[in-house]
Amino acid sequence: GDSVTQMEGPVTLSEEAFLTINCTYTATGYPSLFWYVQYPGEGLQLLLKATKADDKGSNKGFEATYRKETTSFHLEKGSVQVSDSAVYFCALKTQGGSEKLVFGKGTKLTVNP
Amino acid sequence: DVKVTQSSRYLVKRTGEKVFLECVQDMDHENMFWYRQDPGLGLRLIYFSYDVKMKEKGDIPEGYSVSREKKERFSLILESASTNQTSMYLCASSNGQVVLNQPQHFGDGTRLSIL
Repeated sequence: GDSVTQMEGPVTLSEEAFLTINCTYTATGYPSLFWYVQYPGEGLQLLLKATKADDKGSNKGFEATYRKETTSFHLEKGSVQVSDSAVYFCALKTQGGSEKLVFGKGTKLTVNP
Repeated sequence: DVKVTQSSRYLVKRTGEKVFLECVQDMDHENMFWYRQDPGLGLRLIYFSYDVKMKEKGDIPEGYSVSREKKERFSLILESASTNQTSMYLCASSNGQVVLNQPQHFGDGTRLSIL
């Protein structure tokens, strides 16, 4: 079945450091890919998405590129801030009309001042 | 902005009780979902619904049922609560029929403890 594997945390960085959170997937066809973020005490909110190969999603300084050849959708940010401390989830939606999302297990990021 | 409201942030119940978790969305979304979130396991789909009175099992439906009598409301029911159902429960909704690949919008979660 479809699955998402993302790097295990926790990840701890200093402010202004470069961030990469790896995400790879297994799915048939051409899934849509998403990154969600969960700030402390809140539900998940969409951070960015990409719906076809080579698409780049971006938001709030975060970027991720849909790489079909490596089945990856790694999340990057050039300079993290303390306010980026959260749990990040990679997810996919299978091509073919189902509205279900398959989530990775989440990566907790802590950014220290 | 879409708002998904879960009726309780924190809930404490006893083993064997029947527990109702309520979720309401205000954007006329067709699709609604219930997940549970556990450390190290991420989010797992319990049930989802494409329309009023329609429901489909997710990955872990055992011990749960759902009800969707009105489009805006999706209820999760623990028929006889057990301690292994202690978890964070998240409700979500999405508009999947008009524009494809629309995101799911989440509520803030209900942290349920079964004693």
